[in-house]
Amino acid sequence: DAKTTQPPSMDCAEGRAANLPCNHSTISGNEYVYWYRQIHSQGPQYIIHGLKNNETNEMASLIITEDRKSSTLILPHATLRDTAVYYCIVRDNTDKLIFGTGTRLQVFP
Amino acid sequence: DAGITQSPRHKVTETGTPVTLRCHQTENHRYMYWYRQDPGHGLRLIHYSYGVKDTDKGEVSDGYSVSRSKTEDFLLTLESATSSQTSVYFCAISESERVQGVAQYFGPGTRLTVL
Repeated sequence: DAKTTQPPSMDCAEGRAANLPCNHSTISGNEYVYWYRQIHSQGPQYIIHGLKNNETNEMASLIITEDRKSSTLILPHATLRDTAVYYCIVRDNTDKLIFGTGTRLQVFP
Repeated sequence: DAGITQSPRHKVTETGTPVTLRCHQTENHRYMYWYRQDPGHGLRLIHYSYGVKDTDKGEVSDGYSVSRSKTEDFLLTLESATSSQTSVYFCAISESERVQGVAQYFGPGTRLTVL
């Protein structure tokens, strides 16, 4: 079973920041948090990952709380092409990615 | 985008026929995976490979077999397709498995319909 909890859906206005939350209260010390997204009918796309420090790349920022029990993916300036299902994944001790049901982000004009 | 292709991209077949899906990568990554995606279930791991001729079962392996005779190719075979295997199949690759902090990269998917 997925070890994360995400809201099923969110809306965001184009040009605004999209902040997608994820709870992972049972995360263990050596587990990373990964974010992927899936645009309709396409394969999942890797976005970013982190352990405990905040991370930023060309796609997004990842903010992990100090206790590591939750995180937030930030898309700083959402566009219509960011409409997708976003998956927050904690990699378990079998080293397999387990996808939950994710958050469906709808970016509107 | 990672160099991953899947073939065919769409296939319609009849119950009881054998089907083989192909995943081809140009990244020389050691690890390759097959997932299926169904409404209400998300992505589920079928089989994976950690090297040439080295494979292992995933969460939903019944009814599927795999083979990897070359680093770049990972084949998924449905020996006798059933309607419950109608799904979208994704291949993925990664450089490493046991090292944390390594991402998987996914192919475009194969939509399989079993009538």
